[in-house]
Amino acid sequence: GAGVSQSPRYKVAKRGQDVALRCDPISGHVSLFWYQQALGQGPEFLTYFQNEAQLDKSGLPSDRFFAERPEGSVSTLKIQRTQQEDSAVYLCASLVSAQETQYFGPGTRLLVL
Amino acid sequence: SQQGEEDPQALSIQEGENATMNCSYKTSINNLQWYRQNSGRGLVHLILIRSNEREKHSGRLRVTLDTSKKSSSLLITASRAADTASYFCATATNDYKLSFGAGTTVTVRA
Repeated sequence: GAGVSQSPRYKVAKRGQDVALRCDPISGHVSLFWYQQALGQGPEFLTYFQNEAQLDKSGLPSDRFFAERPEGSVSTLKIQRTQQEDSAVYLCASLVSAQETQYFGPGTRLLVL
Repeated sequence: SQQGEEDPQALSIQEGENATMNCSYKTSINNLQWYRQNSGRGLVHLILIRSNEREKHSGRLRVTLDTSKKSSSLLITASRAADTASYFCATATNDYKLSFGAGTTVTVRA
């Protein structure tokens, strides 16, 4: 595709509900990142994949957060038993190996009520 | 936790004026990048400056980097209404992880 796409763009969840956020990176991009952006703040790193391998998940805030990229392309960020503090924009980015510029998707805005 | 801090938090200028924003960071870096984010949209990469560079230009953008002071500045010359956005600096300390500041919100008045 032309750029990184994410779905859904907006998600409203009731507290305790599980959600799944999808990221389609740019075709051929080896590396994929997830970030969380709270209102009025900059993005914060969550996790990083190189192909299907999750090389760094140090930014995941709790064990309720889980990310996967089973075939090295599309990635899913899953949040179990959502809490109000999970409300944020979740951004996905990809880059070609050995390049430094990350290309961001439009984000998924999650609101937990 | 966020590595960078932008200053000011918000900036309002007249169309045609220059806008300057600063970024300070805490640890040694490989490179520093500036991104723009329009309301409700994703981030767009503007410019990257490596730790061994002091100044870089791209169109109406000028970025400086002072590694001794652990600071960077972004100058937008001859601003336009379309420059209204939030601007973030991000530092890279290894091959991949970016640490963002809280951003500067720029409003360009017509």
